[in-house]
Amino acid sequence: DVVMTQSPLSLPVTLGQPASISCRSSQSLVYSGGNTYLNWFLQRPGQSPRRLIYMVSKRDSGVPDRFSGSGSGTDFTLKISRVEAEDVGIYYCMQATHWPRTFGQGTRVEIK
Amino acid sequence: EVQILESGGDLVQPGGSLRLSCAASGFTFNTYEMSWVRQAPGKGLEWVSTISGSSDKTYYADSVKGRFTISRDNSRNTLYLQMNSLRAEDTALYYCAKGSACDYWGQGTVVTVSS
Repeated sequence: DVVMTQSPLSLPVTLGQPASISCRSSQSLVYSGGNTYLNWFLQRPGQSPRRLIYMVSKRDSGVPDRFSGSGSGTDFTLKISRVEAEDVGIYYCMQATHWPRTFGQGTRVEIK
Repeated sequence: EVQILESGGDLVQPGGSLRLSCAASGFTFNTYEMSWVRQAPGKGLEWVSTISGSSDKTYYADSVKGRFTISRDNSRNTLYLQMNSLRAEDTALYYCAKGSACDYWGQGTVVTVSS
């Protein structure tokens, strides 16, 4: 199975400041067709997860442009350009290239 | 608007069975894979199973293989998860999600396995 490793696991941030979360996979996430299926989700307290980013860097509909995804191969990053209060929650990366699908452990983002 | 609603969660004894349902609307159901993802209390997300749009392909996590069966009824826009031989470690909030990349999620249904 592909192991997804996130860091840090806890991220205290100041409102208005940038934040960055890393996600590394134990195998390349490049699919045979050339696409890379790496997704990012946010689970706000008491809510269901919501997908923010798919295929490494594509933002889902309605996701603010302060969220951006980047990376390739086995090394990926989610960046928030200026953290807002509504960004608090747990962020998960998930690979959708290989079976079984696997998630990272989650990164808890909180306001300092 | 995409809507996903899970049901069927309950308290069940170890070794028992349960069937979860997921009613979907707002998209062409039979053209999308559908998935189940679970979250044990206080824990992270764990992918459980995915089924293709035409039901010809199914995928399972090793932790549930041989015990759980995913299926769908495209005439009813409904996804199912039949869970047999339930164990305490299957206790979780079970989410239904659209696609194998999980672009939309329901609110979940709670399964508790305990004597």
